Amino acid sequence: DSGVTQTPKHLITATGQRVTLRCSPRSGDLSVYWYQQSLDQGLQFLIQYYNGEERAKGNILERFSAQQFPDLHSELNLSSLELGDSALYFCASRPQGVGGELFFGEGSRLTVL
Amino acid sequence: GQNIDQPTEMTATEGAIVQINCTYQTSGFNGLFWYQQHAGEAPTFLSYNVLDGLEEKGRFSSFLSRSKGYSYLLLKELQMKDSASYLCAVANDYKLSFGAGTTVTVRA
Repeated sequence: DSGVTQTPKHLITATGQRVTLRCSPRSGDLSVYWYQQSLDQGLQFLIQYYNGEERAKGNILERFSAQQFPDLHSELNLSSLELGDSALYFCASRPQGVGGELFFGEGSRLTVL
Repeated sequence: GQNIDQPTEMTATEGAIVQINCTYQTSGFNGLFWYQQHAGEAPTFLSYNVLDGLEEKGRFSSFLSRSKGYSYLLLKELQMKDSASYLCAVANDYKLSFGAGTTVTVRA
């Protein structure tokens, strides 16, 4: 158990819909990272937050947005869903902004039909 | 940007040694990580190198050469449970970017 909690574990929805994925980092960790992993693909970095502020952005689509709240949990919002958005979405936390390993949650598996 | 390359697949026999190479090009460097990922599961941390040289951790070792933009992960005394994807990841600034992963299959 990494200490990072993600909900929901599984989600099935239709094209055009909107979903919210939630992540609670390890106790004391200030950084939250979001990654997307499509079938047989590598981990694609989406976005990173540190203590409530956006710190780095990867190849995140405009239909996707995220935020980190004062209690440090984070949410990833995916809208106007397309079939290609079906993937595992991982959240990871890190004790510092730079340096130190990432601890990954179990992931949220999104299926868009 | 970053470019991280590692082989797609490797196969080895139980009890043998396998070396997974990773080459990278990056602007800025804060360290290189290796993660193990079983299918459908979360990646788990294996090793971290920020200075040149070899880091040994039980059956796993990782090497880094910053001047060459090169790292390898060495898996010794392979076990069936080592069959997994191994991910090389490079940290720069606040990003941690992953390679596509190397799928290692261990045969009996």
